[in-house]
Amino acid sequence: GEDVEQSLFLSVREGDSSVINCTYTDSSSTYLYWYKQEPGAGLQLLTYIFSNMDMKQDQRLTVLLNKKDKHLSLRIADTQTGDSAIYFCAEEPLYSSASKIIFGSGTRLSIRP
Amino acid sequence: DVKVTQSSRYLVKRTGEKVFLECVQDMDHENMFWYRQDPGLGLRLIYFSYDVKMKEKGDIPEGYSVSREKKERFSLILESASTNQTSMYLCASSGGQGGNQPQHFGDGTRLSIL
Repeated sequence: GEDVEQSLFLSVREGDSSVINCTYTDSSSTYLYWYKQEPGAGLQLLTYIFSNMDMKQDQRLTVLLNKKDKHLSLRIADTQTGDSAIYFCAEEPLYSSASKIIFGSGTRLSIRP
Repeated sequence: DVKVTQSSRYLVKRTGEKVFLECVQDMDHENMFWYRQDPGLGLRLIYFSYDVKMKEKGDIPEGYSVSREKKERFSLILESASTNQTSMYLCASSGGQGGNQPQHFGDGTRLSIL
């Protein structure tokens, strides 16, 4: 069945890079997403990658996709206190109806001084 | 910018009450979704709708129903609220499939059932 897994917590020192990892199971997935949730708010789309790409870079964010291993990662360079949030990985299977996507349980990123 | 508005940020209700959570989007999106979010469980899909008056069950529809009488509005109904329905509820909408049509979320409703 469809499943997306990610570790629950990550702690990083301010200024270092953060790497959040995710594995998914549906090899038909066309798009893979990263969403960010700040305290008390809904989810905000950070970035996405199409399944025929290996890498996508957007300012401080780098997404790497290993389709063979069904592994997705999000790297945040020069992590700042404003990056503290929960980060959700999500996949959109090819045959999903109405753009239904499957979310992981979220990784809580905390920044230490 | 896409705006998804949930009618309440916080709501407190009693066991057995009928509860309505309202969601409105302003982008003429076909698809709308209701999720609940619980610590360690991520987002779980309750119901979604791909057109007016059309609905499909998600992964955890038990105890819930939905209504979509107009394209912009998607309501989640707890017919008889129970304490295990205390949770954060998130509404989302999207225009279609694919990365250029992602789901956009409201700010959530934190519902407590006493």
